[in-house]
Amino acid sequence: SQQGEEDPQALSIQEGENATMNCSYKTSINNLQWYRQNSGRGLVHLILIRSNEREKHSGRLRVTLDTSKKSSSLLITASRAADTASYFCATDLMIYNQGGKLIFGQGTELSVKP
Amino acid sequence: GAVVSQHPSRVICKSGTSVKIECRSLDFQATTMFWYRQFPKKSLMLMATSNEGSKATYEQGVEKDKFLINHASLTLSTLTVTSAHPEDSSFYICSASPSGGAVGGNYEQYFGPGTRLTVT
Repeated sequence: SQQGEEDPQALSIQEGENATMNCSYKTSINNLQWYRQNSGRGLVHLILIRSNEREKHSGRLRVTLDTSKKSSSLLITASRAADTASYFCATDLMIYNQGGKLIFGQGTELSVKP
Repeated sequence: GAVVSQHPSRVICKSGTSVKIECRSLDFQATTMFWYRQFPKKSLMLMATSNEGSKATYEQGVEKDKFLINHASLTLSTLTVTSAHPEDSSFYICSASPSGGAVGGNYEQYFGPGTRLTVT
């Protein structure tokens, strides 16, 4: 399997604290993406970082990518109770002319307590 | 823009029956659609890549005759779970990649809201 691994599997923090989730993968990638999923719902795309990028910001989100270590991290600053969800990284293996094939990590279940 | 819908959102069926799940791209054309399966508190597992006008490409371990995929138009792909069994109960999610290929080398993918299948 080429699925990535994420840690921690579960993270519980207080509102206002920062949350950091890590993702490791096995093969070369075109890009890495982070998604959020509320319980029993679909996926929400958060951020995409290309293989030639090292860091990207979007609002309270900061993503880093280290292709030499095949790892990425997602930092959520000043967390809110509404950030409670599962977070997945997904690596784009880009297959020519077929659209990107995404392989998902195991996910981190984040709980933010008010 | 870039909305993907799935129908039904929730379905309960009896063992031995077949269930069809639709995935539609509402405001764009999608040459490629992907089908994923997700067990409770688990990650998404790619089942197959569906290409308009051709046969789907299934991932290792996914039974082609069990999970029939049809991508008859640029806006619709269907997944039919044939002769469903309780172990097929799961959350099925589709995604669609707009036609025209990659933007800046990166393919955009848009996810549907998922279909919860329960087989009794």
